[in-house]
Parts: sequence; C-alpha cells; structure tokens
Amino acid sequence: KQEVTQIPAALSVPEGENLVLNCSFTDNAIYNLQWFRQDPGKGLTSLLLIQSSQREQTSGRLNASLDKSSGRSTLYIAASQPGDSATYLCAPTAGNRDDKIIFGKGTRLHILP
Amino acid sequence: EAGVAQSPRYKIIEKRQSVAFWCNPISGHATLYWYQQILGQGPKLLIQFQNNGVVDDSQLPKDRFSAERLKGVDSTLKIQPAKLEDSAVYLCASSPYRGLEAFFGQGTRLTVV
Repeated sequence: KQEVTQIPAALSVPEGENLVLNCSFTDNAIYNLQWFRQDPGKGLTSLLLIQSSQREQTSGRLNASLDKSSGRSTLYIAASQPGDSATYLCAPTAGNRDDKIIFGKGTRLHILP
Repeated sequence: EAGVAQSPRYKIIEKRQSVAFWCNPISGHATLYWYQQILGQGPKLLIQFQNNGVVDDSQLPKDRFSAERLKGVDSTLKIQPAKLEDSAVYLCASSPYRGLEAFFGQGTRLTVV
C-alpha cells in the first residue's frame, strides 16, 4: 500500500527566499508524480508532472526532481513571493494496473511579506 | 478548454439525510476520480472509474456511499444516510487515461450537522 509523507508539515519563510519541499513514498513502482497547489477553500491546481523516466521538471520559478529508486521527490521554489502561500501536495501515480493517485498530507507554506 | 465542473459548491445537511454530488469531467477524459478531503488532511481516494467501469473502490464506505458514471461521462456520488464524520470537501478529478496528468474540480464542501 502506497504511503506518502511530506516534510515539513508547515513552513513560514520571508519573501525572496529559496525553499525546498520534500516528499517521500514507500512504493517506487510509479508511472509519474504530480505536485499540486491548493489554496484555502479551493480545488487542486496541477503544478508539475514528472514521468517515472524523468529526473526533473521545471516551470518558471518551480523545479521538481524525482529519485524514483529511493522514493523521493523535492519541489524547489525560487525567489518566493507572498502569492506562493498555499498548501503543496505531492501525489505519485501507482505503476500497477490500479493507477491510483495517492496524496500526502501536504506542506502548508506561508510567505511573509 | 473547460475544466472539471462540480456542483453544488456547498451543501449543509442534517445527519441521516441523503446528499448527491455531480461531476462533469473534461471532455474526452476516460479516467474519473472521487476524493474525500477532511480538513487538514490530504485527499483520500474513494473511487476510480475508467470510462464507466470501476477500477478501484476499496476505500468507498459502501454501506452508505455509492457512485456511478453515466455513459462514461458525468458522475454522481451519493451519501445515504450521512454521518457527522462525512463533513469534508469532495473532489472530482479526471485524466485522459490512467497514469496521465489529472485535473481537479473546485470541490463540493459538505457540512453535516
């Protein structure tokens, strides 16, 4: 059974800092891994998707890496802004016929102006 | 391209009443997911459809929850009778095919009093 852990659970940093969010998963037989953003009271917005054969993906100030063999992914946010404040969720997709997308509890990020 | 549509956005019911949620996925998306997200937790998969067939419903409380996907397009999730612990946000997501990027709706916030 896939279990996803995200560390830290919450993070507050001053504006402008670079930061790293961590995700680990127990079953490394995955198709891909997605990082999502969730604003309070809202649905999930897909930020990045990394295929299992890839090592990293970049979109603007965001960079996600994947180490499938060790069951780890990181989301790097450069030059953080107050608008980045949200909960960030990591979700690997199972590589078996179930293709379940399993979520961690997320990291609540607060960027201080 | 239109996103995943969910309705209603909010619902308040008394315990033991019944409630239904509706989801219209992105056109052409074969895979549809329903998730339950309790406050402060990550989304938990309730049921996954591939076209109009169920791929996984292992975490769906079948004594009170039911779901169907009509003609492989729209889907409804029903709770009957509701309990206080069913208070949560119910999220619908769709994907072009199993293992590809998933897109989420805005969710339905259910409060059971």
